[in-house]
Amino acid sequence: KAGVTQTPRYLIKTRGQQVTLSCSPISGHRSVSWYQQTPGQGLQFLFEYFSETQRNKGNFPGRFSGRQFSNSRSEMNVSTLELGDSALYLCASSLTVNQPQHFGDGTRLSIL
Amino acid sequence: QQQVKQSPQSLIVQKGGISIINCAYENTAFDYFPWYQQFPGKGPALLIAIRPDVSEKKEGRFTISFNKSAKQFSLHIMDSQPGDSATYFCAASSGSNYQLIWGAGTKLIIKP
Repeated sequence: KAGVTQTPRYLIKTRGQQVTLSCSPISGHRSVSWYQQTPGQGLQFLFEYFSETQRNKGNFPGRFSGRQFSNSRSEMNVSTLELGDSALYLCASSLTVNQPQHFGDGTRLSIL
Repeated sequence: QQQVKQSPQSLIVQKGGISIINCAYENTAFDYFPWYQQFPGKGPALLIAIRPDVSEKKEGRFTISFNKSAKQFSLHIMDSQPGDSATYFCAASSGSNYQLIWGAGTKLIIKP
């Protein structure tokens, strides 16, 4: 069974640009969560989607958004990129809500 | 009250020894406590998890001890091996809001 797949693995952008990251969950998993990981702040929750609906949102500015498609695949978008957005963005999927989360290997986003 | 405090920040253990990592929480609504293992360049991988209705859970060399009254839980790695060298994260969530709150992580090094 394939794991959580995140694309691209690495991305370099400049300030002010926008970026879209993609996540394909484990087959059959309907819940997808996104996290930001940085050396200074650790792992921080961004948002969670289930059945195309955002269930929870972390404490991030509106520049961070996401969506989930009918096949459970998810995308997150960051607009007007700032230097501080440089981080590893992790996607996790679970069968449904309140089930163990399984992570992808992340997208490393670097802002120049 | 949402914090999960993890210690130590780093840990060096001899091969064959016992590695112990501790976490403490304040939110009594938390009812799910997973531990994740993360290798460089990889996403966190679920190692073992516990719910507050049991005080201990063992899977192979990994054991979670849970003290509900003290609001603490710990990970014990028996017969630690060099391959266990990784960063370990504790986390917690509540059933009403399955959003993982993460500890800051412990970098574990097992010396051969």
